[in-house]
Parts: sequence; structure tokens; C-alpha cells
Amino acid sequence: DGGITQSPKYLFRKEGQNVTLSCEQNLNHDAMYWYRQDPGQGLRLIYYSQIVNDFQKGDIAEGYSVSREKKESFPLTVTSAQKNPTAFYLCASSISGTPYNEQFFGPGTRLTVL
Amino acid sequence: GENVEQHPSTLSVQEGDSAVIKCTYSDSASNYFPWYKQELGKGPQLIIDIRSNVGEKKDQRIAVTLNKTAKHFSLHITETQPEDSAVYFCAAVIGGGADGLTFGKGTHLIIQP
Repeated sequence: DGGITQSPKYLFRKEGQNVTLSCEQNLNHDAMYWYRQDPGQGLRLIYYSQIVNDFQKGDIAEGYSVSREKKESFPLTVTSAQKNPTAFYLCASSISGTPYNEQFFGPGTRLTVL
Repeated sequence: GENVEQHPSTLSVQEGDSAVIKCTYSDSASNYFPWYKQELGKGPQLIIDIRSNVGEKKDQRIAVTLNKTAKHFSLHITETQPEDSAVYFCAAVIGGGADGLTFGKGTHLIIQP
């Protein structure tokens, strides 16, 4: 089955700890994205990558970091510098980095910082 | 900055009735407008999209209309069914698309039996 997976589904961390969210795709897509979803706020872009070993900041990149060492993987690290990290995080991929291509989303990871 | 406004935030309709969700955008150069549906516990999924060279597009019970002059576009769902209950997001390519899609804040559609 082709698709995009995120793990874990639920994640709990203590305040001050860094945490890494996993995102893997086997669709052979060049572009990958991370969004944050808060109630009533829609989807806000954190980081995106149009190709391996390259990524750009989105609208709300502060307190987050990413890497794109492999085409199929785009992990997101939520650092202790992120002031309000509790949220639902969505990863997506598209065949290329143009915004006119369909984005395929994973099922999301709900992060709760205690 | 450039953005996408979506209304209403919640919409409740009787099963079988029609539902309409509206979005406005600020960038007159925007030329691509997708709609995504997010079911409970899942990621969003593209259901229909429209480009600026057409005014309407239909796919079975769903349709999207675009008014470029007024800078607004709408999602229409006819003969609503329980499985239509979800959160719907409109989006637009803003500012030439350098930063990808800009999403609206979402509409929670509730289908009453």
C-alpha cells in the first residue's frame, strides 16, 4: 500500500524536553510538509522540503527543526524553545514542490506537553 | 498579509439538504483553489479543486464555484449524507505560491439525521 505514515498517534512529553515526530512516505514524492493544527486555526505551515537535503521555513517555524536526509523521511523536532507545543501535527507530501499538486496527508500526531 | 477567510466555522444541516461553505481571498493573482475534507481522526484529503480559468466545477454531489471579480469561491454539497460530516478546509495559492497553499480556518459540517 502506498501512503504516508506518522508515528506515534499520541505523544506525551514533559515541558522542556525536545521531541521528534516521525513522517514516512512511500509515494516517491519529492516534496514534504509539516503543518500544525489548532482548534479554530486551520492548518499552518511549519516547514517544507521540495527535495532531499533542502528545506524552507513556513509561517510558524520558530521552535521547530527538520531534516531531509532521505526522500521518504521528513522528521520534525519540537524543541524546548517552542512556547506552546501542544497541538495536532500533520505531515503531507506531494509529487513536486509546486502548490498546484495534490497534497497527501498522514493521519497526524497529537502532541501533549505536560 | 495575504490570507483566506472561511465561513461559517460550524454548519449544521438536515440530511438530504444542501450545504454551502464560502471562502474569500485577498490576492487577486491567486489562481488555484482546492478544498480538503478532514474526517475525525484522519488527515485532510483533497475532494475537489478549481483553477481560475473556469467558474464552476462539479463532481457528483459536490461542486465548487469561483467568482474572480469578487475574490470568493464556494463549496456546494447537495443531498447531504451522514458521511459528509467532517471539517472542510478551503485553500488558495497566495503570493505566487512561493510558500505553498494558504488554508482557511475550516468549517465543521454536521449532518443531522
